[in-house]
Amino acid sequence: GAVVSQHPSWVICKSGTSVKIECRSLDFQATTMFWYRQFPKQSLMLMATSNEGSKATYEQGVEKDKFLINHASLTLSTLTVTSAHPEDSSFYICSAREGFPNQPQHFGDGTRLSIL
Amino acid sequence: AQSVAQPEDQVNVAEGNPLTVKCTYSVSGNPYLFWYVQYPNRGLQFLLKYITGDNLVKGSYGFEAEFNKSQTSFHLKKPSALVSDSALYFCAVRVPSGNTGKLIFGQGTTLQVKP
Repeated sequence: GAVVSQHPSWVICKSGTSVKIECRSLDFQATTMFWYRQFPKQSLMLMATSNEGSKATYEQGVEKDKFLINHASLTLSTLTVTSAHPEDSSFYICSAREGFPNQPQHFGDGTRLSIL
Repeated sequence: AQSVAQPEDQVNVAEGNPLTVKCTYSVSGNPYLFWYVQYPNRGLQFLLKYITGDNLVKGSYGFEAEFNKSQTSFHLKKPSALVSDSALYFCAVRVPSGNTGKLIFGQGTTLQVKP
C-alpha cells in the first residue's frame, strides 16, 4: 500500500531554534500534501495544503512565516518551524495524496516536537 | 457550514462482540467518505472509503461501513471486535471540489475493546 515516511519522529530542542520536518511519499507521486497539527486527545487541525511546485495555502490563523512549507517535488514536502517556542510543541502529521480527489490521503507517523 | 460529527467520545465493547462507531456529516453535494484509525503516537491509517456504488463498503482488518444518504451517516462496523482494535477512530469527509479538496475530520472516537 501507499507509504508516507515522516522524519524525524521525535525532536527536542531549545527555544529559538528552527526545526525541519520531512515528509516523503515512498511509492506514489503526491500531487498534494497536507500538514496537520494534533493536540492530545483531539482531532487533526489542518495547517496548510501544498501542491508540488506551488506555494502552500495556509489555513486561517496559521502563520506562514512561522511554519514554512516547501513542496519541491512529487515525493517530498518539508515543514520548517522557525524560531520555535514552547507553545509550538505539538504532534505534527503530514499527509499525501495522489492527484485524484477520490483517492484517500495517506499519513506519516507524525513528529513529536518538544521545545524547551 | 460543512461538518462531521462523531457523537461518542468513547465506545466500549467486549472482545468478540460486534462494534459500531457512529459518524454523521453535513456537507453540500455528494461527498467522499473515509474512515481512519490512529494508534498512540502514530499517524492515521486508512481503513476504507465510500465514493459511489454499494452502500456497504469493506475495508482493512475486517472493518466495514454503511453509507446512508437519507440519514447522512457513515457508521463503521465490525462483526467481532478484537482487543487490538482498541484505538482512536476518525471519520472524514471530502467535498470533491477541485483537486485539493480538504478532508473534514470528526472529533474522533476512542474504541476500547476489553478481553
